[in-house]
Amino acid sequence: DGGITQSPKYLFRKEGQNVTLSCEQNLNHDAMYWYRQDPGQGLRLIYYSQIVNDFQKGDIAEGYSVSREKKESFPLTVTSAQKNPTAFYLCASNRVALPSGANVLTFGAGSRLTVL
Amino acid sequence: SQELEQSPQSLIVQEGKNLTINCTSSKTLYGLYWYKQKYGEGLIFLMMLQKGGEEKSHEKITAKLDEKKQQSSLHITASQPSHAGIYLCGASGGTSYGKLTFGQGTILTVHP
Repeated sequence: DGGITQSPKYLFRKEGQNVTLSCEQNLNHDAMYWYRQDPGQGLRLIYYSQIVNDFQKGDIAEGYSVSREKKESFPLTVTSAQKNPTAFYLCASNRVALPSGANVLTFGAGSRLTVL
Repeated sequence: SQELEQSPQSLIVQEGKNLTINCTSSKTLYGLYWYKQKYGEGLIFLMMLQKGGEEKSHEKITAKLDEKKQQSSLHITASQPSHAGIYLCGASGGTSYGKLTFGQGTILTVHP
C-alpha cells in the first residue's frame, strides 16, 4: 500500500545535538511538506518542496534544515539552533501543487521529538 | 497571511448527541479541508470544500462552506466514541500552491 513513512516514531535529544527525522513516500507525489504541531497551536509549516533539489521556507524555518535529493525523500534536520524543538513533527505530501486547486495532503504518522 | 480560528477549542459530549465545530478564516477560502487526528498519530483527510454554499457528507459527518467562503462548519450527528479525536480545518489561499494553513484544532471527547 502507498503511503508516507516517518521514522523514528519517538526520538530523544540532548541539548546541543542535531537530529534528523526521516520522511519517505511511495505515492509518486511531487510536493512534500514538514509541519510542527504543539498543543493548542495546530500545525505550523516548517519547510516545503515542490520539486527535487528545490525547497522553500515555511512560517517557522529557523533552526531547521531540509534536503530533497530524491522525489521520494524529504528529511528534516532539527539543529541545535532551534530553541524549543520538543514537538510532534508531521510530514505530508500531495501530487501536484496547483494554484487554487485541490491540494489534499496525505500525512505520515508523525515523529515525536523530546529534548532532555 | 491567512489565519484560521476554530471553535470551540474542546468539546465533551454524551454518546448520541449532535455537535458542531466551526472554522473561521481571516481571508476568502479557496479550499477548505477537514482532517481528523487521533492523539499522537497523523491526520486523516475527511472532506474538502471549494464552492460557496457547498455541503458534503460522509457517514454521520457533514461539512458546509458558507456563501461568502470565509467560514465552514463540521456537524456530527448522533456522535459515537469512534468520533473522538482532534478535528482540524486547513485552508489553501489563492496562490498557496499546495501549502495549507491550519486552525488550532478542536478536541472532541465522546462519553459512552
